[in-house]
Amino acid sequence: EVQLVESGGGLVRPGGSLRLSCTASGFTFSDSWMHWVRQAPGKGLVWVSRISNDGRATRYAESVKGRFTISRDNAKNTLYLQMHSLRTDDTAVYYCAREGAGTDYSLDFWGQGALVTVSP
Amino acid sequence: SYELTQPPSLSVSPGQTARITCSGDALTNQRGNWYQQKPGQAPVVVIFKDTERPSGIPERISGSASGTIVTLTITAVQAGDEADYYCQSTDSSGTYVIFGGGTKLTVL
Repeated sequence: EVQLVESGGGLVRPGGSLRLSCTASGFTFSDSWMHWVRQAPGKGLVWVSRISNDGRATRYAESVKGRFTISRDNAKNTLYLQMHSLRTDDTAVYYCAREGAGTDYSLDFWGQGALVTVSP
Repeated sequence: SYELTQPPSLSVSPGQTARITCSGDALTNQRGNWYQQKPGQAPVVVIFKDTERPSGIPERISGSASGTIVTLTITAVQAGDEADYYCQSTDSSGTYVIFGGGTKLTVL
């Protein structure tokens, strides 16, 4: 059974930093491209970042570029999102998701989400 | 910037057909995916590559594409279909992923 479990969420002050982790199981993690998607309270889904299966290629939404870094450790089956210079509008549930192979960027499995709250 | 546009809401009666549209210029050369999200839950993909249905998704749910529009169709709507639905695709170069704003489907 495919499982994605996020951790590392919490309350942080504006300007602070936080690192999210996503531990994968039930599939060959090193074969899969992975994404982070966030959802502010009561709002829609917003794509944040994408990383290739080997970690060499990354992409970011304009709103987080230069502040967030996506990375992965295939030996630990873990995806990361390092967040710096956090702002109140970064407050959201952050989901990690697997991109299905050959599915045109479809995200076929999602974690349960980690809540990040940025507040003074 | 690239955008996908969906109607914010749609209401249908049980047994009727719901059609949710998603429009965007890049949909002429990029395919669309659809997600269902119920309150307090993570999204679930219901259609990928415009028309393909993942295993476990009922045949009542289908997708189509024409020009700059992709459409999610749910026939014989049930109370359990009440959810938020999001389309998703990429910009023309396949660099950036984007979601539509979401459509809240209400079953009357």
